[in-house]
Amino acid sequence: AQKITQTQPGMFVQEKEAVTLDCTYDTSDPSYGLFWYKQPSSGEMIFLIYQGSYDQQNATEGRYSLNFQKARKSANLVISASQLGDSAMYFCAMREDDYGGATNKLIFGTGTLLAVQP
Amino acid sequence: DVKVTQSSRYLVKRTGEKVFLECVQDMDHENMFWYRQDPGLGLRLIYFSYDVKMKEKGDIPEGYSVSREKKERFSLILESASTNQTSMYLCASSFQRDQETQYFGPGTRLLVL
Repeated sequence: AQKITQTQPGMFVQEKEAVTLDCTYDTSDPSYGLFWYKQPSSGEMIFLIYQGSYDQQNATEGRYSLNFQKARKSANLVISASQLGDSAMYFCAMREDDYGGATNKLIFGTGTLLAVQP
Repeated sequence: DVKVTQSSRYLVKRTGEKVFLECVQDMDHENMFWYRQDPGLGLRLIYFSYDVKMKEKGDIPEGYSVSREKKERFSLILESASTNQTSMYLCASSFQRDQETQYFGPGTRLLVL
């Protein structure tokens, strides 16, 4: 069965420093997609970054990058130069295998609460 | 800009009441989803729909039903609300193209007393 694991319930980081949020996954499907979302205190889930299992390079979006290590089944999110506005809950998710049906169902981890300190 | 709206941000209901949560998206997405979010459990899928009048159970459908009469609208129904359904409810939508992300609404925080 597919599974996403986030082992860090919460983290602190100093403003302007980089931080890595861990995510490991388990799947037997050779084709899969990995997502990271941010959820600020307002509650809305905001899409940050996507990595496909066949992508040769690690995904990057501005200050966000995804450290994709396929053999280790990890997809860690790296936030560079942390800002106070980065304080939020972060969720890792994996697209569930639907055998070509494109339902795009996602399996979510339990989240990591990041607190950026001034 | 994709917009997913939910009818209420906060809702307080009594045990046994019938509760409707409405979700509307304006991007012509085929797929729509309802999740509940509880501390320490992440997001769990309740139901999803891949077309008008089509629905499939997610991981925790018990106590819930859904309705999709129009493409842009997906309703979650609690037939007889119970205290263990107190939670944050999130609606999302996406295209059916592979690797498409889901877009989320702002959430409805439901308290059942």
